[in-house]
Amino acid sequence: GEDVEQSLFLSVREGDSSVINCTYTDSSSTYLYWYKQEPGAGLQLLTYIFSNMDMKQDQRLTVLLNKKDKHLSLRIADTQTGDSAIYFCAVYDNNDMRFGAGTRLTVKP
Amino acid sequence: EAGVVQSPRYKIIEKKQPVAFWCNPISGHNTLYWYLQNLGQGPELLIRYENEEAVDDSQLPKDRFSAERLKGVDSTLKIQPAELGDSAVYLCASSLDHTSYEQYFGPGTRLTVT
Repeated sequence: GEDVEQSLFLSVREGDSSVINCTYTDSSSTYLYWYKQEPGAGLQLLTYIFSNMDMKQDQRLTVLLNKKDKHLSLRIADTQTGDSAIYFCAVYDNNDMRFGAGTRLTVKP
Repeated sequence: EAGVVQSPRYKIIEKKQPVAFWCNPISGHNTLYWYLQNLGQGPELLIRYENEEAVDDSQLPKDRFSAERLKGVDSTLKIQPAELGDSAVYLCASSLDHTSYEQYFGPGTRLTVT
């Protein structure tokens, strides 16, 4: 099955950029996602990218996809304290969605 | 537009007791998912419904877990009897249909088995 790997923790200063990384194993993944989970809440879909794209920008969020290296990243510009949460990478292929273990982002004032 | 609704939000039970979770998907969404999220992990699919049909239940432990979606709208997930290892968050998600790549999640039910 698909393996999705993420680093567990990231700490940044308010106003800096955050980069959260993800690697996956299945090259047939068609859609790749970033979800945000705040304490006690479900997963909020932040953004996604099709596998035939290499970049997608949405306001402060930039997703980069390197298909050759099976590497996905999420860059958050001007990180705010409200961005503190757990960020999940997920990959989708043929009705099967696989999630990483999540990266806990801590934003220090 | 209302999101995915789940209840209860929290449940504490003793082991060997039964428990049930309820989910109401976004209106018009035909596909419904139940996920299990263990502490420090990402969600893992338990079962997927297309309307009232369970089309993928390969990861559902059928000896103690059951689910239903009788009218193709809301759904119930049951555990009987519960074990200590079942303590986790149970997430429900929905999508427009099986071809839709956008899944929307509810807030989850946090189950604690003592």
